[in-house]
Amino acid sequence: AQSVTQPDIHITVSEGASLELRCNYSYGATPYLFWYVQSPGQGLQLLLKYFSGDTLVQGIKGFEAEFKRSQSSFNLRKPSVHWSDAAEYFCAVVVPDTGRRALTFGSGTRLQVQP
Amino acid sequence: EAGVAQSPRYKIIEKRQSVAFWCNPISGHATLYWYQQILGQGPKLLIQFQNNGVVDDSQLPKDRFSAERLKGVDSTLKIQPAKLEDSAVYLCASSLSGGGRSETQYFGPGTRLLVL
Repeated sequence: AQSVTQPDIHITVSEGASLELRCNYSYGATPYLFWYVQSPGQGLQLLLKYFSGDTLVQGIKGFEAEFKRSQSSFNLRKPSVHWSDAAEYFCAVVVPDTGRRALTFGSGTRLQVQP
Repeated sequence: EAGVAQSPRYKIIEKRQSVAFWCNPISGHATLYWYQQILGQGPKLLIQFQNNGVVDDSQLPKDRFSAERLKGVDSTLKIQPAKLEDSAVYLCASSLSGGGRSETQYFGPGTRLLVL
């Protein structure tokens, strides 16, 4: 079945440590890939997106993600986490050329940052 | 550039009452989406409009939910009558939808609904 999986429900890291959030997808074709962040009581903010081309994508707030076709993955990374990064992170996909442009979201990963 | 606007931000109603949410997308964006986000889950599409026509409403509970997008700009989402399980955040998003990078969706702040 077509799906987006975020295997980690909850991750805790220390401030200043590196971060990697996992995202895997299961689709026949390579979808468009997105990472969104949602702070408590806020809407969804786009961090970065991949459509084609360079597989390492730079986003806002110092985040980057790498698309790996062989692993059907699009993991989000940050070299040094700040306390303000504590939030819920969602991976999402759009399958191109299907006429259906709505995002399909993973279940999210909640990031907690320890001082 | 102004973002996606939504109102109200919060709403508390009793079950069986009705409620309406409003969304104003980014100017020039042809496609508008309503998503429902239940606590602890990712958002799920309720309905997608292209200009003022419905593209996808397969996940909309049509016995109680309705939505319209008059003149291809603003949109309203209505629930009547509300059930306890409708407690959620209702997110509106918009995109240019000309293919490729214009498929990027931008979200409003959401309306948090609590049904008692």
